[in-house]
Amino acid sequence: EAGVAQSPRYKIIEKRQSVAFWCNPISGHATLYWYQQILGQGPKLLIQFQNNGVVDDSQLPKDRFSAERLKGVDSTLKIQPAKLEDSAVYLCASSLTARFIQYFGAGTRLSVL
Amino acid sequence: QQQVKQSPQSLIVQKGGISIINCAYENTAFDYFPWYQQFPGKGPALLIAIRPDVSEKKEGRFTISFNKSAKQFSLHIMDSQPGDSATYFCAASNSGYALNFGKGTSLLVTP
Repeated sequence: EAGVAQSPRYKIIEKRQSVAFWCNPISGHATLYWYQQILGQGPKLLIQFQNNGVVDDSQLPKDRFSAERLKGVDSTLKIQPAKLEDSAVYLCASSLTARFIQYFGAGTRLSVL
Repeated sequence: QQQVKQSPQSLIVQKGGISIINCAYENTAFDYFPWYQQFPGKGPALLIAIRPDVSEKKEGRFTISFNKSAKQFSLHIMDSQPGDSATYFCAASNSGYALNFGKGTSLLVTP
């Protein structure tokens, strides 16, 4: 069974630039999560999707972050414009449904200079 | 606000020893308590999980102990091996919502 795929693996941008991350969840998984993991800390939820609907985006900085999950499969997370404090690893996870095990991708490491 | 508090931040254990990591939570609505293991450059991977209706769960060398009244749970790694060297995260969630992670424990098992 293929795991959660994320791209790119690494991204370096200047502050105020825009960036987008892509996630392909495990086939058949209805629930998709985006987490932000700052160095030395645990992952923090940004947004949770159930199919293509948003379940929880209470911690998403909506003035600069946006996410979508078209057709309930792939998802993209965008930051526009980026700030220095956005430097982190962005993890995508998926689960069969919301009460099942979450499987994580390897993440995208973002450095904002 | 950190909903799950984890300690210690780092841990060094000799090969064959017991590694113990502790977590505490406040939200009594949490009903799922997993532990994740993360190697450098990889995403977290589920190690073992427990629900509050049991006090202990064991899988191989890994055991979760759960104290509902104290709102604490811990991970014990028996016969620790160098390959166990990783960062361990406890987490908690409520009825299918996203995981609330602790800050992590960096474990080093020395030969």
